[in-house]
Amino acid sequence: NAGVMQNPRHLVRRRGQEARLRCSPMKGHSHVYWYRQLPEEGLKFMVYLQKENIIDESGMPKERFSAEFPKEGPSILRIQQVVRGDSAAYFCASSPPRGKAEAFFGQGTRLTVV
Amino acid sequence: GEDVEQSLFLSVREGDSSVINCTYTDSSSTYLYWYKQEPGAGLQLLTYIFSNMDMKQDQRLTVLLNKKDKHLSLRIADTQTGDSAIYFCAEKGTGGSYIPTFGRGTSLIVHP
Repeated sequence: NAGVMQNPRHLVRRRGQEARLRCSPMKGHSHVYWYRQLPEEGLKFMVYLQKENIIDESGMPKERFSAEFPKEGPSILRIQQVVRGDSAAYFCASSPPRGKAEAFFGQGTRLTVV
Repeated sequence: GEDVEQSLFLSVREGDSSVINCTYTDSSSTYLYWYKQEPGAGLQLLTYIFSNMDMKQDQRLTVLLNKKDKHLSLRIADTQTGDSAIYFCAEKGTGGSYIPTFGRGTSLIVHP
């Protein structure tokens, strides 16, 4: 059973470009969470999704950021018109249906905006 | 809103025990977690405890939960240099739509 898979592991974008980060949850996990980790800081919640539904996006910046978790395929975190302040590690976690304990993380995507 | 607090640094000598502490505010917390993050890596789930338990032991790891004081601790026995990492406390409860909320992490430094 493969773990949570994120790709790419490293992503370099110029200011103004788009960044697409992908996350495939563990088999049997229907819930996906995205977090952002800035240098020397903890993990900040961004968005919580189930298949085809955004459950909570209270941590997402209002502009340029969007997320989806389609019926088929990975969850995507999309950042449009990236700025230097978007440089961070973005982590995805998945868990089984509501109420279960396990929440496993991927290795993260380290985004660098130059 | 929910909040999870941890001290930022802990330094111990190899072979000693390490105790990392965490406090949380969400009284509806159902699960409490400890994750380990090594440099440049993702978060590895070390252990978790259900809120109706007060202790859980797994090899060198012991988790203690004081639900009344909303205090969680992780004890690592016989700490090794390979235990050097950042340790995150997290909680998940009904109050936060089952979204795991993390502390800022405690950097554990193990020196010979």
